Order: sequence, then C-alpha cells, then structure tokens
Amino acid sequence: SQQGEEDPQALSIQEGENATMNCSYKTSINNLQWYRQNSGRGLVHLILIRSNEREKHSGRLRVTLDTSKKSSSLLITASRAADTASYFCATQSGGGADGLTFGKGTHLIIQP
Amino acid sequence: EAGVAQSPRYKIIEKRQSVAFWCNPISGHATLYWYQQILGQGPKLLIQFQNNGVVDDSQLPKDRFSAERLKGVDSTLKIQPAKLEDSAVYLCASSFPTRTPLHFGNGTRLTVT
Repeated sequence: SQQGEEDPQALSIQEGENATMNCSYKTSINNLQWYRQNSGRGLVHLILIRSNEREKHSGRLRVTLDTSKKSSSLLITASRAADTASYFCATQSGGGADGLTFGKGTHLIIQP
Repeated sequence: EAGVAQSPRYKIIEKRQSVAFWCNPISGHATLYWYQQILGQGPKLLIQFQNNGVVDDSQLPKDRFSAERLKGVDSTLKIQPAKLEDSAVYLCASSFPTRTPLHFGNGTRLTVT
C-alpha cells in the first residue's frame, strides 16, 4: 500500500517560476524524503527531513514538514528545464522495517 | 563511487514464462531493497535484505516471486510464472546504514505479453 499522496499529480510551469508540491501521509514517521525520477531512470535522493525538524533547505530546494497535519511540501525555486521530472515523497516509519513507502508522485514539466 | 548496477535493462516475456533480474549494490551497503514500479505509480517495496537475511517481504507475492541475496552482496529477483500484471519497472536500491537515503539503480523494465 502507498502511504504518501502527492498533490498535484501533474504541474506545468514556466522556466524561472517556483514549483510547489505537497505530500500527505497517514501514519507516524521517523523521517520523510523526497526523490526525483527522470524518465526511464532510477530515483535520485533530494532531501531528507526528520520528524523533529520543521524546515530544511538544500540549494534551490526547500522542504517543510508538519507532523500534526501529516503533510510535507517541496518548493523548487527558480525552476530550470532540467528540473522536469517526477517527484516522489517517501516515508520511513519509526517501527522496525526501514523500507520507504512512496506516494504516487507529481510529474513536473518546466516549459522553456 | 560506482552506483547500483542492474541487469538486464529491458526484458520482454510471454505470460507463464519465468524471468530473473540481477542487482549489484554499492560496495559496503548492507541493506538491499527490491521495488516494483507500475507505470504512473510510485515504487512499492517487494523485499528488503539486511546482509543476506530478509527483513521485510510482506508485500512479495510469494507464490510467484522469489529473491535471494547470497553472501550478502548481489541479489536476484525471480518471477515464475509471470502474469500480465507483473509488467513494471523493477528497481533495486541499497543503503548503508539503514535509515539513510536509498541509492537506486536504473531498473529493469519488464513487459509481459
């Protein structure tokens, strides 16, 4: 079963604009991670935020986490054509198993 | 460092045939995962190994899927017999230690006709 649900499912913006994607999850977590997947490729880790953190930055990426609402957002600033990809949130639970549970993803298209 | 290696890159088989996928994780990564990604969906965990022991295989369809990780390094995932609904990309990932980001291979795209 999939825990995270990304919103929107698809997003198309102009190059240079900011892109925001949201993720909601259902159960308690140890951490939440965001991954990018280019067409026909594997997933690449972008950023990890732990359950006791509220915000994290990495370059043009900003991630927030609200554990009371069981939600997270990923903001990509000053988007580039190379940012075109699918973005997935994934959660790791505080329980014994460490496998990630992924959402269905947001497909982002950056129009040049 | 070398990434996670997977082969083959593509595979087309008929239903009821068998197929095997191979994965070589990043050197030193104790944890290895197999995920199934159906078109338009996020990856779903099939099985997780810690060294050569199974940590979680709760979502592995054990009547047709099997996986092994001999010597705690590379791993194979087998499907026998394949069904049409097994058409998907099979992704291998590794990490060291657990609870750190996963490193994914490029996957094997399986088409069952």
